[in-house]
Amino acid sequence: SQELEQSPQSLIVQEGKNLTINCTSSKTLYGLYWYKQKYGEGLIFLMMLQKGGEEKSHEKITAKLDEKKQQSSLHITASQPSHAGIYLCGADGYSGSARQLTFGSGTQLTVLP
Amino acid sequence: DAGVIQSPRHEVTEMGQEVTLRCKPISGHNSLFWYRQTMMRGLELLIYFNNNVPIDDSGMPEDRFSAKMPNASFSTLKIQPSEPRDSAVYFCASSLGTGGFGTEAFFGQGTRLTVV
Repeated sequence: SQELEQSPQSLIVQEGKNLTINCTSSKTLYGLYWYKQKYGEGLIFLMMLQKGGEEKSHEKITAKLDEKKQQSSLHITASQPSHAGIYLCGADGYSGSARQLTFGSGTQLTVLP
Repeated sequence: DAGVIQSPRHEVTEMGQEVTLRCKPISGHNSLFWYRQTMMRGLELLIYFNNNVPIDDSGMPEDRFSAKMPNASFSTLKIQPSEPRDSAVYFCASSLGTGGFGTEAFFGQGTRLTVV
């Protein structure tokens, strides 16, 4: 099965600072998803990347997909306390003909005011 | 749309009891996933349905776990008998599209299960 490794596992930054979270796949990426989760709640979809070199932005969050490296990065500019939470990357993989939407272990982000 | 609806939100049960978790996917979505989340193992895919048919249940931990999807608007995950190590947050997610590839999955709020 596809394995996703996220780094760092946790991150503490001062409000206003920029930060980057990385997600590396053990297999070819067919689709890469970024989600955010607050403790005790469900996952909120942020962005989906499908093509190598693709880059998407939403407000102060930018995600890139390096297909050759089987890697994606999530960059937050001028972080705010509202950005705090767990960020998870998910990827489509194949198990025979079945879809396996699997996730990394997550990055816990704390933003200090 | 109300999104993916899970019930109950919290469940506390005694070891050995049967537990049933319920999920109503987003109307029109034809893929449904059950996940389990723990601190130790993160978010694990348990089973995936496409058009109400179980496609991949390789993530189901043991025979004590079973999942059904009798129609497009309802799915259950049952644990019988439950054990303390089953304590976790169980999420249901749904997505649209043939096979589900390349489409984002929408998650419910989860069911926090505690087995004592």
